Amino acid sequence: GENVEQHPSTLSVQEGDSAVIKCTYSDSASNYFPWYKQELGKRPQLIIDIRSNVGEKKDQRIAVTLNKTAKHFSLHITETQPEDSAVYFCAAHATGGGNKLTFGTGTQLKVEL
Amino acid sequence: ETGVTQSPTHLIKTRGQQVTLRCSSQSGHNTVSWYQQALGQGPQFIFQYYREEENGRGNFPPRFSGLQFPNYSSELNVNALELDDSALYLCASSSGLAGGPVGELFFGEGSRLTVL
Repeated sequence: GENVEQHPSTLSVQEGDSAVIKCTYSDSASNYFPWYKQELGKRPQLIIDIRSNVGEKKDQRIAVTLNKTAKHFSLHITETQPEDSAVYFCAAHATGGGNKLTFGTGTQLKVEL
Repeated sequence: ETGVTQSPTHLIKTRGQQVTLRCSSQSGHNTVSWYQQALGQGPQFIFQYYREEENGRGNFPPRFSGLQFPNYSSELNVNALELDDSALYLCASSSGLAGGPVGELFFGEGSRLTVL
């Protein structure tokens, strides 16, 4: 089955700096890669996603890149703000698996003033 | 538009007991997935229901079972509870056809289960 590895597990940046979180996946059939943000005690919320027919997608301060050959994808947050502090999860979906997502272990992002 | 709601929000059980968790899917969604999130970990897929049929299952034993009702709400049942079952149980709903392109999952706030 699919295996998703995520790093770093914790990331601390100064407000205004950029943050990058990286994930690798094992199943070459995976075709959908969402990123979720989870604040303490809250539900995971989708912040951006990318499909395998696209190499990069951007939404304001957030961007995701996908390298299918290397089987890795990354989340980029620019001009970080304190409200970006949360746990971020990457996930991968393979065809034929319904809506099953395999999640990474999460990155605790802390944006310091 | 009503979001995904789960109940109860918190509960405490003892080893060997049984628990039922409930989920109401977002309006217009016909697919419900259940995930287990242990402390400090990412959510792990338990199973998915599409039009009242199980449509995919993760690496969970048969004592984890579920149902989906005609109104697309769902239940997760866990029998013979073990200490390691302590976790946040997340329900997620989505729309789409079985086997079709995966759509965004909308998560509920979860049910936090503690097994003593």
